[in-house]
Amino acid sequence: DAGVTQSPTHLIKTRGQQVTLRCSPKSGHDTVSWYQQALGQGPQFIFQYYEEEERQRGNFPDRFSGHQFPNYSSELNVNALLLGDSALYLCASSLGVGIRGYEEQYFGPGTRLTVT
Amino acid sequence: AQSVSQHNHHVILSEAASLELGCNYSYGGTVNLFWYVQYPGQHLQLLLKYFSGDPLVKGIKGFEAEFIKSKFSFNLRKPSVQWSDTAEYFCAVNLPSGGGSYIPTFGRGTSLIVHP
Repeated sequence: DAGVTQSPTHLIKTRGQQVTLRCSPKSGHDTVSWYQQALGQGPQFIFQYYEEEERQRGNFPDRFSGHQFPNYSSELNVNALLLGDSALYLCASSLGVGIRGYEEQYFGPGTRLTVT
Repeated sequence: AQSVSQHNHHVILSEAASLELGCNYSYGGTVNLFWYVQYPGQHLQLLLKYFSGDPLVKGIKGFEAEFIKSKFSFNLRKPSVQWSDTAEYFCAVNLPSGGGSYIPTFGRGTSLIVHP
């Protein structure tokens, strides 16, 4: 049973560039959420995709956008990169959207983005 | 603003010592509560969760947590830690973001080191 996979593992970009990160959910899951984890901090919710639509969004600017494909995989796009965007980006999958928010989430290994 | 607080950022214990990690949140309504663990070099994984019912929740690897609504707390406990419990522990709470939606909000984490 394949878990959540993310690519690439590491990425180095320059300020002002754009980046795309990819995520494949755990088999059987249809919901994908993205998180940003800065060094020494807990994951911070960016947004969630379900049925190919953005359902929830955290406190992140419009430079952060995403997409979900019919096979439930997802992309996170960040435009006009800033030094402060350097972080570990985590993808988590779950099945549907339960009462009071998310049910159990399964996390991927993350993509380490460094902006220079 | 609604938040999740983990007061112990770094904890160092010897094997067989008892563990209690604090987690408090700032919201008076009904919530879903989680503890996640990240072992060195591994993904974030769920330790235990509370949605309703018995406020004493048992998770994997001998961990348990108690939900005390009056104190807005969900503390994690283990009677006797092992060296293999060395990891980063995150408390997460689904907090309302408006419009009936809930967003998973993580604490900044507690780094636990267990000496053999």
